[in-house]
Amino acid sequence: GAGVSQTPSNKVTEKGKYVELRCDPISGHTALYWYRQSLGQGPEFLIYFQGTGAADDSGLPNDRFFAVRPEGSVSTLKIQRTERGDSAVYLCASSPGVGLTGELFFGEGSRLTVL
Amino acid sequence: SQQGEEDPQALSIQEGENATMNCSYKTSINNLQWYRQNSGRGLVHLILIRSNEREKHSGRLRVTLDTSKKSSSLLITASRAADTASYFCAPNTNAGKSTFGDGTTLTVKP
Repeated sequence: GAGVSQTPSNKVTEKGKYVELRCDPISGHTALYWYRQSLGQGPEFLIYFQGTGAADDSGLPNDRFFAVRPEGSVSTLKIQRTERGDSAVYLCASSPGVGLTGELFFGEGSRLTVL
Repeated sequence: SQQGEEDPQALSIQEGENATMNCSYKTSINNLQWYRQNSGRGLVHLILIRSNEREKHSGRLRVTLDTSKKSSSLLITASRAADTASYFCAPNTNAGKSTFGDGTTLTVKP
């Protein structure tokens, strides 16, 4: 596709459930980023991938959060045992490569609501 | 990590006026980028200024960078109601990740 695609756009789940959020980056972009944004705040860094490997996962809040990018393209953010505090918009971004301009291309986000 | 801090938190102006927002950061950078976010949408890249540049223009946008003061400003001239959005700066190093502050929320009244 032309831009970064995120699915689902909206997810409502119950506390304790497992959730997967998917990101399809721009074709050819080697770097992929996940951010979390709460209302009225800026995007909070979670993790970024260079190719298939997680180059920096220092932003993942705890071990309930995990992300994969097995073939260096699509990425999935996985949240286990969801809590109400996980409710936020999860943003994915891609860029041509780390160390280049660094311009990020964002998707529209996946809004997660944990009841 | 390198995080930009935007100032002011909120700015409200009339259509046709200019809007200026500022960004401060803490360590050396390769470049600094500004992004816009409309309510409920993803961020959109506006402009990038490299560390060896002092000023850059793109349409109604003017960005300045003062590396000695570790600060940048974004000026939007002749603002329009459609400019209403949140604006974020992202200082960039070779470390790879961009981190964001809480942004400046701009409201342009028609």
